Amino acid sequence: AQSVTQLGSHVSVSEGALVLLRCNYSSSVPPYLFWYVQYPNQGLQLLLKYTSAATLVKGINGFEAEFKKSETSFHLTKPSAHMSDAAEYFCAVTPNYGGATNKLIFGTGTLLAVQP
Amino acid sequence: ETGVTQSPTHLIKTRGQQVTLRCSSQSGHNTVSWYQQALGQGPQFIFQYYREEENGRGNFPPRFSGLQFPNYSSELNVNALELDDSALYLCASSRPGEETQYFGPGTRLLVL
Repeated sequence: AQSVTQLGSHVSVSEGALVLLRCNYSSSVPPYLFWYVQYPNQGLQLLLKYTSAATLVKGINGFEAEFKKSETSFHLTKPSAHMSDAAEYFCAVTPNYGGATNKLIFGTGTLLAVQP
Repeated sequence: ETGVTQSPTHLIKTRGQQVTLRCSSQSGHNTVSWYQQALGQGPQFIFQYYREEENGRGNFPPRFSGLQFPNYSSELNVNALELDDSALYLCASSRPGEETQYFGPGTRLLVL
């Protein structure tokens, strides 16, 4: 069975400050891991993904995440927050069976607020 | 390249009615998955269609059903609507043999 835990349903940072959104996963098989962003009244946009290649993954809009197997974590970071980063962020896991699309298991989301 | 599109964008129904939501997958994508996102929660997997066959289902009752057409577009049908069915319904498509799913903008359903 797989699951995702996102610590902190709300995170507030100042513009220019470090963004750190936490994600821990549980998986009985090697996982694929994803971060998606959702702006108000919109669908989900893929930020980045881990697919068993490099453990440090760079995504769009200056975000990156590091896969740490020993900690079962895939935390999302950005060195300097912009006002436009205010949105809800979802971590998701799916089993790595190779060559197939499997259901995504999502966390409950973290709402990021950026203060001027 | 056109992304995933969904229609309608918003819908209001009353309890007991039936609803059909539509999704056009991204070009070259043959797998479509549907998710329900209740307010303040993460998306929950409903089911997936691959080559016009259901290919996995989440913990949703049989009144949630779907179809996939030869052009890989898809429909989600919900019968006997309940108030708890009010949610954002998201469609996602993916390429053959790929793990990444690309989401549409969603259909927001309100059941009164």
